[in-house]
Amino acid sequence: EAGVTQFPSHSVIEKGQTVTLRCDPISGHDNLYWYRRVMGKEIKFLLHFVKESKQDESGMPNNRFLAERTGGTYSTLKVQPAELEDSGVYFCASSQLAGYGNEQFFGPGTRLTVL
Amino acid sequence: QKEVEQNSGPLSVPEGAIASLNCTYSDRGSQSFFWYRQYSGKSPELIMSIYSNGDKEDGRFTAQLNKASQYVSLLIRDSQPSDSATYLCAVPRGAGNNRKLIWGLGTSLAVNP
Repeated sequence: EAGVTQFPSHSVIEKGQTVTLRCDPISGHDNLYWYRRVMGKEIKFLLHFVKESKQDESGMPNNRFLAERTGGTYSTLKVQPAELEDSGVYFCASSQLAGYGNEQFFGPGTRLTVL
Repeated sequence: QKEVEQNSGPLSVPEGAIASLNCTYSDRGSQSFFWYRQYSGKSPELIMSIYSNGDKEDGRFTAQLNKASQYVSLLIRDSQPSDSATYLCAVPRGAGNNRKLIWGLGTSLAVNP
């Protein structure tokens, strides 16, 4: 069974540019999560999809971030325009169910550097 | 106060020793607790979950939970160099079908041969 995949693995862009990150969850997993780790800080929740619907987007930093999950399969996270503080590692995770005890499986992350 | 707190380390132990990793949490209503292991440049990987007070053992790993003290720990027996990684404590937060993970900073463990 293929795991969670993310693309690209690394992205270096200049301030003001746009970047789109992609996540492909494990097949059959309705729940998809985005997290971010900024250097020296804890991993922070960004948002949670159930199928194509946003269940919780309380962690999205601001309106420069747009997440989509068309068709309830893969998800994209677009940052436009990127700022220096957006640098970090963006992780995607998926789970079959979302209740207590259901394991979230993580992708390898996308390391975003904004110069 | 952070919701989930861990000592960042680094924690250094000799090969074969017991490594003890600690985590405290602020929400008394928390019901489940996860330990993830993350090798440098890799994704977090779930290694233990615990829901009830007491100990839960899985191979060389033992998770310990004390809800009264809001404390969860991970013991690694017979530590191996391959156990060198960052260990992350995570606590689900939310209700119904919304369970986002709240993370500690992680403890870096180095097992020396």
